[in-house]
Amino acid sequence: NAGVIQTPRHKVTGKGQEATLWCEPISGHSAVFWYRQTIVQGLEFLTYFRNQAPIDDSGMPKERFSAQMPNQSHSTLKIQSTQPQDSAVYLCASSLDLGENTEVFFGKGTRLTVV
Amino acid sequence: EQQVQQSPASLVLQEAENAELQCSFSIFTNQVQWFYQRPGGRLVSLLYNPSGTKQSGRLTSTTVIKERRSSLHISSSQITDSGTYLCAMERSNYNVLYFGSGTKLTVEP
Repeated sequence: NAGVIQTPRHKVTGKGQEATLWCEPISGHSAVFWYRQTIVQGLEFLTYFRNQAPIDDSGMPKERFSAQMPNQSHSTLKIQSTQPQDSAVYLCASSLDLGENTEVFFGKGTRLTVV
Repeated sequence: EQQVQQSPASLVLQEAENAELQCSFSIFTNQVQWFYQRPGGRLVSLLYNPSGTKQSGRLTSTTVIKERRSSLHISSSQITDSGTYLCAMERSNYNVLYFGSGTKLTVEP
């Protein structure tokens, strides 16, 4: 079990460019989450899928950010027209989603730097 | 509003000393999970403890849901325990977690 896999590990984009981040959840896990981590804000929830369907995107910035889960083996987070304030470590997580009391497993993250 | 508060923000120990980390929540929750992270490293789940006391090796977590708090006790600390310890709570009926700012633990020889 390789755990949650995120690619790339590091990404540098110029201001205004688009960035796409990839996540492969643990096989068999039906819940997939995206979080963002910065020194200032800490860990922030972005969005959540269950069985590939978007359930809660209340943490997603309303503009420029979008997430998809086209199949059960991967999810993407896309940031359009990246800005310096988007620089952060983006974390993907998955769980069996058995309802309450289910452990969540995190990937190593993608460090996005917008210059 | 910060829904999960952790204290202390940082802690320095001598090797073999014990550590007590605290976590409190602004709302009621039914899931509490403690994580560990080294700089640049993955978030590693330490203990999943929605209520009561749970132990894993040198780690003991006690969660009192009605008082909206949880603690993590590390006994006989080791240099390799150094890192950031994060407390997280589930806010709703699925597994979305909300995190505290963490306690940065440094264990010195």
